[in-house]
Amino acid sequence: KNQVEQSPQSLIILEGKNCTLQCNYTVSPFSNLRWYKQDTGRGPVSLTIMTFSENTKSNGRYTATLDADTKQSSLHITASQLSDSASYICVVSAIEWGGGNKLTFGTGTQLKVEL
Amino acid sequence: GAGVSQSPSNKVTEKGKDVELRCDPISGHTALYWYRQSLGQGLEFLIYFQGNSAPDKSGLPSDRFSAERTGGSVSTLTIQRTQQEDSAVYLCASKQTSLVLQGGNEQFFGPGTRLTVL
Repeated sequence: KNQVEQSPQSLIILEGKNCTLQCNYTVSPFSNLRWYKQDTGRGPVSLTIMTFSENTKSNGRYTATLDADTKQSSLHITASQLSDSASYICVVSAIEWGGGNKLTFGTGTQLKVEL
Repeated sequence: GAGVSQSPSNKVTEKGKDVELRCDPISGHTALYWYRQSLGQGLEFLIYFQGNSAPDKSGLPSDRFSAERTGGSVSTLTIQRTQQEDSAVYLCASKQTSLVLQGGNEQFFGPGTRLTVL
């Protein structure tokens, strides 16, 4: 069964600090992995996408890593801001003929950035 | 519109009533998805549309749930005889195309409809 597990479940950090969120998955055959940011009351928004051959990808202060061998990904947030407070969801896509692209979602890490 | 829109944003209903949730996808997006997000749980796939047809409705939890899409655009998710366990945020997403091995295409999500069944 395809699964995505994230840790920690929740995290509180001070503004300006860095943090790293983890994602482990068992999805096969693997197509890609996305990190989404979901603000309260909003739908998820994609931050990064990584395919099998990519190890690192950055988007501003967000840097995602992927180890396809160990099936692990991380999202590193640098110099956190209050606006980073949100749920961060790891989403893994399996290769699917016909393009259905059914996704497997993690339960998310709830990040709170405080002054 | 620029993004996926959903209505209503919030819906409170009594147990046993029917509800209808609406999704307006991004113009030109042929693929449309419905998900359910319960508190403390990951998004749960409900149904996928390609155009007006639904090749995958495996995620619908019971026959009280149904969805349709007309004109390759707007979709409605209907829940009949609502139960308290139906309370959740219902998210809709659309994608530009749904070709073979196009798993890289991003799904764009709407803001969701928060359903509360009393």
